[in-house]
Amino acid sequence: DAGVIQSPRHEVTEMGQEVTLRCKPISGHDYLFWYRQTMMRGLELLIYFNNNVPIDDSGMPEDRFSAKMPNASFSTLKIQPSEPRDSAVYFCASSYVGWETQYFGPGTRLLVL
Amino acid sequence: AQTVTQSQPEMSVQEAETVTLSCTYDTSESDYYLFWYKQPPSRQMILVIRQEAYKQQNATENRFSVNFQKAAKSFSLKISDSQLGDAAMYFCAYRSASGGSYIPTFGRGTSLIVHP
Repeated sequence: DAGVIQSPRHEVTEMGQEVTLRCKPISGHDYLFWYRQTMMRGLELLIYFNNNVPIDDSGMPEDRFSAKMPNASFSTLKIQPSEPRDSAVYFCASSYVGWETQYFGPGTRLLVL
Repeated sequence: AQTVTQSQPEMSVQEAETVTLSCTYDTSESDYYLFWYKQPPSRQMILVIRQEAYKQQNATENRFSVNFQKAAKSFSLKISDSQLGDAAMYFCAYRSASGGSYIPTFGRGTSLIVHP
């Protein structure tokens, strides 16, 4: 298995632009997690899905952030409009047993200028 | 809001020795869960151990045990007989058990180095 796939690996954009991060979970996994990691705030869980349904999005920082999972093999995290404080590494992770073991993707390093 | 503090960015231990990773948290809730997760370079995040706040007995999983001090809001992880495979980033996490969000709050992590 290729593991969790994220794209792009790096994204540089200007403030106010829309950013879309993509994730392909491991086949057969029914949980998908979106994390953000910064030096200031550490690791934060933004939202998670079970069987393509968002279960808890209380970690999403504000309405500029939205996430979708249209099918079992694809999820997006969108930031519109982006701001410099959104600069971070965004990780997608998937799991087949919920919170027990999660497989992280390589992350998307986002820089908003 | 709950906060989780891991005051040791990095710890090192000699193989076969014992190491303790510290974690403190702040909450006004009485019912909650605490977790230690391990994230090795392979980028998995693996649940190492879980503690329910209402249980007075400290959780133990093989070589991993916790020292849960509810009044002090402390939740340290002890790794006995350290092995090279224990080298990883360790995250402490808190999650409410009284409804509302299931999203856990993570500490910043402690990087554990194991020397042969």
